[in-house]
Amino acid sequence: AQKVTQAQTEISVVEKEDVTLDCVYETRDTTYYLFWYKQPPSGELVFLIRRNSFDEQNEISGRYSWNFQKSTSSFNFTITASQVVDSAVYFCALMITRGGNKLTFGTGTQLKVEL
Amino acid sequence: SAVISQKPSRDICQRGTSLTIQCQVDSQVTMMFWYRQQPGQSLTLIATANQGSEATYESGFVIDKFPISRPNLTFSTLTVSNMSPEDSSIYLCSGLSPLGGEQYFGPGTRLTVT
Repeated sequence: AQKVTQAQTEISVVEKEDVTLDCVYETRDTTYYLFWYKQPPSGELVFLIRRNSFDEQNEISGRYSWNFQKSTSSFNFTITASQVVDSAVYFCALMITRGGNKLTFGTGTQLKVEL
Repeated sequence: SAVISQKPSRDICQRGTSLTIQCQVDSQVTMMFWYRQQPGQSLTLIATANQGSEATYESGFVIDKFPISRPNLTFSTLTVSNMSPEDSSIYLCSGLSPLGGEQYFGPGTRLTVT
């Protein structure tokens, strides 16, 4: 069975601070995808990134960066110089292609960025 | 990326009634899914909507309670039947891109059952 753990339930930072959201996953499959989604207070789920299990390169997109380490089964997400607009719930998710492409979500991390 | 719309965006319903939620994708997707997000919780997969055949339900979800249709590649409906307050949730549909693993979500339907 697949599992995604986001141990941080809630994080509060002051604007311009850097913040890292942790994600640890479990699967026995060798082919899988990892995702991060953002859910602002309005409720929609915004796709941020997809990473396949064979690509361990870290990725940077503006203020966002992701660190994928298969050795520790982690896919952490860092926001640099956080802004109030980053306040949202962030979900990490795992998809097994063999299992019908279904997403298994973590419990989410509520990020609050204050002035 | 696919753009997914849902109707209604929100509704308040009485116990014992049913509500049908529509999901429309602006381009073809290979697979469509329905998720439920109870207040303050994560997303849980209800079922995979299969085109032209019965949906595939996850453990804990049954067709009588959540009938799903997918008559074509870009449209699906989810009905929440005989509602109770415990069904108050956000219901989201998603589509899997044919180009590879991206899964996009609709804006959700916020359902309150009184």
